[in-house]
Amino acid sequence: GQQLNQSPQSMFIQEGEDVSMNCTSSSIFNTWLWYKQEPGEGPVLLIALYKAGELTSNGRLTAQFGITRKDSFLNISASIPSDVGIYFCAGRSIMDSSYKLIFGSGTRLLVRP
Amino acid sequence: DAGITQSPRHKVTETGTPVTLRCHQTENHRYMYWYRQDPGHGLRLIHYSYGVKDTDKGEVSDGYSVSRSKTEDFLLTLESATSSQTSVYFCAISPGTGGGNEQFFGPGTRLTVL
Repeated sequence: GQQLNQSPQSMFIQEGEDVSMNCTSSSIFNTWLWYKQEPGEGPVLLIALYKAGELTSNGRLTAQFGITRKDSFLNISASIPSDVGIYFCAGRSIMDSSYKLIFGSGTRLLVRP
Repeated sequence: DAGITQSPRHKVTETGTPVTLRCHQTENHRYMYWYRQDPGHGLRLIHYSYGVKDTDKGEVSDGYSVSRSKTEDFLLTLESATSSQTSVYFCAISPGTGGGNEQFFGPGTRLTVL
């Protein structure tokens, strides 16, 4: 079935550093979503992207819909301790007529104060 | 926050017993989903619903059934729980057609099958 490759699997960074993570798919997507999950909670939607090349920001977070429509990127600038969590990408394939999403395996972010 | 609640939030049960998890939404969204989350596997779709009484299987549907008799409620049933079904279960909702593909998640139910 469809798979998303999300990288890196984990990151341990110093507070104040910038963070980059990405997802790639084997097929063309018409939607890319980025979620954050904190321990004991459900994933929370951070950014939604619907057009190739689209660049969208949410505070210190910026995500881009790759121009090939097979990848997406999330950047976090000037990280702070509360950025700790697992970040998931998710997307919807143009081949899918239903409203199902495919999820990446997540990037675990740890921030050293 | 999207109005989604899940009940119970935690449950411990024994192998072979039936278990029903409930998802309730106040957003009047058409689509509802059940996922399970396990270490090393991320979020995997169990079943989803695209309207009242309209449901379909996801990638890990064996051992699970669902029902949706009202827009606001989506039930997940484990007919005879097994230890492999120990997991965290998340419900999600989406407006679907005309409303985008965004899914909004509930707080989760942690199920332990002994």
